[in-house]
Amino acid sequence: GAGVSQSPRYKVAKRGQDVALRCDPISGHVSLFWYQQALGQGPEFLTYFQNEAQLDKSGLPSDRFFAERPEGSVSTLKIQRTQQEDSAVYLCASSLVGQGGTYGYTFGSGTRLTVV
Amino acid sequence: GQQLNQSPQSMFIQEGEDVSMNCTSSSIFNTWLWYKQDPGEGPVLLIALYKAGELTSNGRLTAQFGITRKDSFLNISASIPSDVGIYFCAGQPYSGAGSYQLTFGKGTKLSVIP
Repeated sequence: GAGVSQSPRYKVAKRGQDVALRCDPISGHVSLFWYQQALGQGPEFLTYFQNEAQLDKSGLPSDRFFAERPEGSVSTLKIQRTQQEDSAVYLCASSLVGQGGTYGYTFGSGTRLTVV
Repeated sequence: GQQLNQSPQSMFIQEGEDVSMNCTSSSIFNTWLWYKQDPGEGPVLLIALYKAGELTSNGRLTAQFGITRKDSFLNISASIPSDVGIYFCAGQPYSGAGSYQLTFGKGTKLSVIP
């Protein structure tokens, strides 16, 4: 598509519930990134994929967070047993290979997760 | 996680005024980026800087990559109402490990008074 598409736009989850957030990157973009943006803060890196390979998951805050990109296109970020501190906007971004930092990413509009 | 020191946190200016914001880091970056984020949207890239000392313009926006590689500034000239939003600086770490991840500042919220 023309841009990075994320769904759902909003998600309200009860504490302890599992959630799955979806990202459709720009067609042909090999690199895909997930960021977490808490209220009033800048985005913070979670994980990075090149095609289907997860090359960096150093930013995932706990083992409750899991990301996959099985066919090298659509990616899903899963959060198990959600906690209130997981409430944030989750941003997905894509870029051409090896140019994630140098040329900047294209971000999606994000999924706003609220855990109650 | 680490975040860059971005200032000011917020600004209220009159339409037509110039704006300046800056970003500093304790570590070196080999790329500096400036993004704008509107409510309910993802950040949109404004300017990218690749070399220490580089000065780059994009319309009314001008940004510079500091000589020490630890800072950058963004200037907006003759502000207009649509400049309202949150501006973020972001740096790509110099090290090879995790070199594709960006470290963001906390943002500068710009309000323009007509």
